[in-house]
Amino acid sequence: DVKVTQSSRYLVKRTGEKVFLECVQDMDHENMFWYRQDPGLGLRLIYFSYDVKMKEKGDIPEGYSVSREKKERFSLILESASTNQTSMYLCASSPTSGISYEQYFGPGTRLTVT
Amino acid sequence: ILNVEQSPQSLHVQEGDSTNFTCSFPSSNFYALHWYRWETAKSPEALFVMTLNGDEKKKGRISATLNTKEGYSYLYIKGSQPEDSATYLCAFGSWGKLQFGAGTQVVVTP
Repeated sequence: DVKVTQSSRYLVKRTGEKVFLECVQDMDHENMFWYRQDPGLGLRLIYFSYDVKMKEKGDIPEGYSVSREKKERFSLILESASTNQTSMYLCASSPTSGISYEQYFGPGTRLTVT
Repeated sequence: ILNVEQSPQSLHVQEGDSTNFTCSFPSSNFYALHWYRWETAKSPEALFVMTLNGDEKKKGRISATLNTKEGYSYLYIKGSQPEDSATYLCAFGSWGKLQFGAGTQVVVTP
């Protein structure tokens, strides 16, 4: 079974803090994704990566950056957390490039910024 | 940003009843349509990935159809069971990315 794990299920941070959300997948997948989910909205793509050290902006990259130093690990960084970044963050991976392959999701991190 | 709409937003179903709901998406630049089931406190799990107009997929009591020309997909649950309670997400694939709808929340009551 593919397993995608995220470093925390719940996280509370203060405004202005630098926040790291970590995601690890154990199936040698090339593609990894970061989404956020807010009530009444679909999952929105923040960043994705199709290879080590490669990254592409998604639909809402402002205020975020990412890092992919190893194939299995994809980190989302909030440079200076703000209250409007309070959300559920989901990481996903898929085996190869192209969107005809299903994505495998982690359990999510619910981040609260106070 | 493309517009993927799911309706209804939520529905309540009696155990044993069948139900269906809709995902609408742009009919141009179609590449794939995904369905995911997201149960509370769990990770979203893929149900189907469909790529061809007219595709029909089935997994147990759940099935899906796809019409790319008119831009819609239906998800059907036959004989609903309490374990079918979840939010069902559809995602439209185009230009290398998925655009998700807001989901249909299904509650099955015994």
